[in-house]
Amino acid sequence: DAKTTQPPSMDCAEGRAANLPCNHSTISGNEYVYWYRQIHSQGPQYIIHGLKNNETNEMASLIITEDRKSSTLILPHATLRDTAVYYCIGTSGTYKYIFGTGTRLKVLA
Amino acid sequence: NAGVTQTPKFRILKIGQSMTLQCTQDMNHNYMYWYRQDPGMGLKLIYYSVGAGITDKGEVPNGYNVSRSTTEDFPLRLELAAPSQTSVYFCASSTWGGTGNTIYFGEGSWLTVV
Repeated sequence: DAKTTQPPSMDCAEGRAANLPCNHSTISGNEYVYWYRQIHSQGPQYIIHGLKNNETNEMASLIITEDRKSSTLILPHATLRDTAVYYCIGTSGTYKYIFGTGTRLKVLA
Repeated sequence: NAGVTQTPKFRILKIGQSMTLQCTQDMNHNYMYWYRQDPGMGLKLIYYSVGAGITDKGEVPNGYNVSRSTTEDFPLRLELAAPSQTSVYFCASSTWGGTGNTIYFGEGSWLTVV
């Protein structure tokens, strides 16, 4: 499973796009990149995942570089409710999701 | 639609006591997981299961045991509780959809060992 590296914290103004980077330089060809977030001490919530193409859903967009060594999660119009810890995970298995320490995003009013 | 249900939500244990954290899911998922999360830290995988009767160790299995007798249930047993096991415990489940899978988490169980 890929080791991922994320900045420990970021701030974003409310209404602006939040761009959260993740480095996964050890990712292999069949490993997906997943993003989850955790609000306060609730259970983590799935956001989006992708293999090599960019993905978009109702919550966010995921941009994966062509070499797949890094990705960016984009929250297009951040709100105060998006304040959370965001985790980037690389895994090829259907098990053993290994969470790092994530990025603590603070959305500022 | 309950999803992943954990009990109890809060528990205080004395050092040396034992207890079982219960986890059940109603989504017919093959894969189930137990994580712990210490204050200010990320989640650490304790044990996981890929199906009934099959379990395996994660990153931090010492001091814990699991069993998976049914698809729905995946209890976590703490034997001889220690203060280092004070943490929030999350149970989760997932299935494989061919294009990746999504983990669904329970609401967590707060455990304090004193």
